[in-house]
Amino acid sequence: SQQGEEDPQALSIQEGENATMNCSYKTSINNLQWYRQNSGRGLVHLILIRSNEREKHSGRLRVTLDTSKKSSSLLITASRAADTASYFCATKNTGFQKLVFGTGTRLLVSP
Amino acid sequence: NAGVTQTPKFQVLKTGQSMTLQCAQDMNHEYMSWYRQDPGMGLRLIHYSVGAGITDQGEVPNGYNVSRSTTEDFPLRLLSAAPSQTSVYFCASSLSYNTRNSNQPQHFGDGTRLSIL
Repeated sequence: SQQGEEDPQALSIQEGENATMNCSYKTSINNLQWYRQNSGRGLVHLILIRSNEREKHSGRLRVTLDTSKKSSSLLITASRAADTASYFCATKNTGFQKLVFGTGTRLLVSP
Repeated sequence: NAGVTQTPKFQVLKTGQSMTLQCAQDMNHEYMSWYRQDPGMGLRLIHYSVGAGITDQGEVPNGYNVSRSTTEDFPLRLLSAAPSQTSVYFCASSLSYNTRNSNQPQHFGDGTRLSIL
């Protein structure tokens, strides 16, 4: 069964706007990771946040983690058409070292 | 470095045929894994390996075999293809698997798109 569930399933915005995607999970984790997948390509790692971290930044990306609510959010600021892709959260659970992926959010950024 | 290389990129099989999907990485990564991606299902783990000679089952292993004779290669075998195995298959690797190094991102190949008729 899937561990992470992303919300929304699809998001459509204009260039320059911010995009926020949410991820919920079910069990205790070591870390949570976000990946991007362009159409027809493999997944590319974006950012990793450890269970003892609450917020992390990388360029235009900001990730938050709330372990009490078992949720994470990915914010892409000042979005560009090139950000159009599917975004997946993945969790590495304590005592279960495999990476478990959610079902993804499809982001469309229109010029 | 080429990263993770998967071949072939596309394949069409008939029901009952067998084939091997190839995966190779040149990053000296210990951990390698195979996923399948189906619409609305995200990625599901088929098999994984924590080092040469060691493999284990993931979430959906039935109908698939793997082996890890070298650090670089991790082929996935379909024993007798079924239409339910129509999917996109991704191979991924990461530096290490053990608890001390659990904060390792995975590197993905570009996938093999497999259709079973």
